[in-house]
Amino acid sequence: GAGVSQSPSNKVTEKGKDVELRCDPISGHTALYWYRQSLGQGLEFLIYFQGNSAPDKSGLPSDRFSAERTGGSVSTLTIQRTQQEDSAVYLCASSLGLAGVLNTDTQYFGPGTRLTVL
Amino acid sequence: AQSVSQHNHHVILSEAASLELGCNYSYGGTVNLFWYVQYPGQHLQLLLKYFSGDPLVKGIKGFEAEFIKSKFSFNLRKPSVQWSDTAEYFCAVSGPNAGNMLTFGGGTRLMVKP
Repeated sequence: GAGVSQSPSNKVTEKGKDVELRCDPISGHTALYWYRQSLGQGLEFLIYFQGNSAPDKSGLPSDRFSAERTGGSVSTLTIQRTQQEDSAVYLCASSLGLAGVLNTDTQYFGPGTRLTVL
Repeated sequence: AQSVSQHNHHVILSEAASLELGCNYSYGGTVNLFWYVQYPGQHLQLLLKYFSGDPLVKGIKGFEAEFIKSKFSFNLRKPSVQWSDTAEYFCAVSGPNAGNMLTFGGGTRLMVKP
């Protein structure tokens, strides 16, 4: 596709329910990142996938958060037993992920999923 | 852990005024520096980036930023702002020893009055 796409664009859920957020990266991009943007915490890194390597989960705020990336492309972020503090915009980004120059890649962001936990 | 500070949270300017948004980071090693912009209702977009070389970087839409290593700063500038520059601006850092992920500053909301 032309850019990073995310679905749904908005999600309202009740406290305690599980939610799944989807990200389709730019075709050919091997690196995929999840961030979240909230009023109190700004933009925070959550998790990062690069090719077939084990993901960097260092930004996940609790064990209720998990993510997977199937076939090196689409990624799903799952939040179990949602809490009100999970309300935020969840952003996905992708980059080429060229070996050896990962940190100089440009990350391209999707439109985000706005999650509201009632 | 790395941190990024943007000291101006809200800036209001009139059209044609000059703009400078501050960004300071804490990491002492090699860093890569970015400015992203988020226009109302739109995605985060890259304005400019610095990896190495000339510390004065030019980006899109007339923006530029200067990397001053001794001050751990990467301030964003534009000599004459337009109403269409109204947006939120984020400074971000990554680095080979600090992870490939971006560490963002808190953002600066710029409003340009016509």
